[in-house]
Amino acid sequence: DAGITQSPRHKVTETGTPVTLRCHQTENHRYMYWYRQDPGHGLRLIHYSYGVKDTDKGEVSDGYSVSRSKTEDFLLTLESATSSQTSVYFCAISESEGGTVNTEAFFGQGTRLTVV
Amino acid sequence: DAKTTQPNSMESNEEEPVHLPCNHSTISGTDYIHWYRQLPSQGPEYVIHGLTSNVNNRMASLAIAEDRKSSTLILHRATLRDAAVYYCIASYSGGGADGLTFGKGTHLIIQP
Repeated sequence: DAGITQSPRHKVTETGTPVTLRCHQTENHRYMYWYRQDPGHGLRLIHYSYGVKDTDKGEVSDGYSVSRSKTEDFLLTLESATSSQTSVYFCAISESEGGTVNTEAFFGQGTRLTVV
Repeated sequence: DAKTTQPNSMESNEEEPVHLPCNHSTISGTDYIHWYRQLPSQGPEYVIHGLTSNVNNRMASLAIAEDRKSSTLILHRATLRDAAVYYCIASYSGGGADGLTFGKGTHLIIQP
């Protein structure tokens, strides 16, 4: 299995509090992603990173920020959590660069976040 | 990514082959067809991908129609551990800046 660790695996937090989720990889892959998964939806991309300090927005980035200060760590922060951010969050990694398709993405086990 | 259409659910018996269909009529000539699956309470995992020719690996086979507007994921001998949601994705890249666009997938139920 690819070396991806998400922490925490479960978290309950109150509305309005900041929350940070961590994704750690041991594969030295260039690309890292944060997705969220809600009932009735597939996974939706929040943010991604294509290198240290290089990040960009995905489909559902409002209310989220990310940082990548080291190759192995990608942090997702909810500055002020809302109930609509209750979800399961997945981190993924891949080595694909632009135009390279013979690759696969590896996913973490997920973090279940509940905002009350 | 091109839009894909999959049945919401399918049911099969253990130890029998399973054919999971996917339609992607608007696929472009450079889009690959990727399949991922998600077991209960786990993150998605890669199954297989291909461009034009049929592909085989240890997990499954991928049959791609000649016009590339549809494809079929084949599990040759289903086991209970194959019960999962299967996602078909038509995308130029398996990663990169676009990430992967997941639909709702097909919920595969395996009966013992």
